Amino acid sequence: DTAVSQTPKYLVTQMGNDKSIKCEQNLGHDTMYWYKQDSKKFLKIMFSYNNKELIINETVPNRFSPKSPDKAHLNLHINSLELGDSAVYFCASSPRDFYGKAFFGQGTRLTVV
Amino acid sequence: RKEVEQDPGPFNVPEGATVAFNCTYSNSASQSFFWYRQDCRKEPKLLMSVYSSGNEDGRFTAQLNRASQYISLLIRDSKLSDSATYLCVVKDSSASKIIFGSGTRLSIRP
Repeated sequence: DTAVSQTPKYLVTQMGNDKSIKCEQNLGHDTMYWYKQDSKKFLKIMFSYNNKELIINETVPNRFSPKSPDKAHLNLHINSLELGDSAVYFCASSPRDFYGKAFFGQGTRLTVV
Repeated sequence: RKEVEQDPGPFNVPEGATVAFNCTYSNSASQSFFWYRQDCRKEPKLLMSVYSSGNEDGRFTAQLNRASQYISLLIRDSKLSDSATYLCVVKDSSASKIIFGSGTRLSIRP
């Protein structure tokens, strides 16, 4: 069983489109995250949710909107995609108060053309 | 200054060698420290936590130096399968988040 699964694995889309990436974890963790890894491989946190509540919202364009329908799911919706959004997006989860031990999904490789 | 800094490498060493790399962090109030490993085109995975007194896990030894604000990872008797990018991770004391370094690339040659 996959602990943290995200879909799709690859996403190629045109500029200006709106797209969503879904993430689900079956570990029973309270905290979930979205990270972006750019072409230089730098992994940067975008959002963090703790039991459906947004607790971290880094400086991210508001074209990016996370949604957590329940504590096992954290989806990422991106409006008006731009070329610079091309990156690998990782979903992750961790136990509450144990934020260092994060489990990552396999990543979604987004290419905007 | 970046919150977490690492030498990007690459470190290219022969199989069986011992290799070590450091990571420095800027926030002296940081509480927790970790090493993650990321294989090419894969997700990061937790390698080990770093404890104040230093800790070992098989061939891997992690150390923390709070005075100089760095952590280190030592790999003994390196294997081809150790080739990966090693990410230093620091838990921010004031917020519920972890901060990743940009990683050190390690390549083990036969």
